[in-house]
Amino acid sequence: VQLVESGGGLVQSGGSLRLSCAASRFTFSTYAMSWVRQAPGKGPEWVSGIHASGSHTYYTDSVKGRFTISRDNSKNTLYLQMDSLRVEDTAIYYCAKERAAVGEPLFDSWGQGTLVTVSS
Amino acid sequence: EVVLTQSPATLSLSPGERATLSCGASQSVSKNYLAWYQHKPGLAPRLLIYDMSSRATGIPDRFSGSGSGTDFTLTISRLEPEDFAVYHCQQYGHSPPTFGQGTRVEI
Repeated sequence: VQLVESGGGLVQSGGSLRLSCAASRFTFSTYAMSWVRQAPGKGPEWVSGIHASGSHTYYTDSVKGRFTISRDNSKNTLYLQMDSLRVEDTAIYYCAKERAAVGEPLFDSWGQGTLVTVSS
Repeated sequence: EVVLTQSPATLSLSPGERATLSCGASQSVSKNYLAWYQHKPGLAPRLLIYDMSSRATGIPDRFSGSGSGTDFTLTISRLEPEDFAVYHCQQYGHSPPTFGQGTRVEI
């Protein structure tokens, strides 16, 4: 399994970023995927998940209405569109593969992460 | 949401010693859906233990998980130099999935 995130960077509060996660070496279309972030000095926090088919999406309360998760199974790529960014969204964002198609957010493979920094 | 509290925050040990890491949950974790991850700076986190006590693929048998309900333990029977890292527990029995703050195992 290989997961490679991209798209992080420095953005001002209120701005937007789109993260991508290129997946390879497994059948991407048969597994649910998630984004997990870790802010400096804190434990990891699950941000959002999406079923294998893309039919269902889930979000932690703090990002609902601001972030949108999506996937393109023809391109083996996971996305996270982040709008109305806040300083507290600053973190390393990880793409993570779940162990099933739906409903079991156990993360059996992770990418190395991409850093998102939101300045005030 | 289920809050996970890990202890101790830091564990100072030597290679060859036994490490015992604790993870306490604010409510009973459904189906004992509790995992442990190892994380080293700049690297991808690695799944060690899932379903409380099952080792992930390729994980050496010096790593073991135990517990039930609200109290869980990760044991590293004999520390190898590559085991010095941060360890996080995670529950996936309740929505949203949540993580503990981590235990740093240092020399």
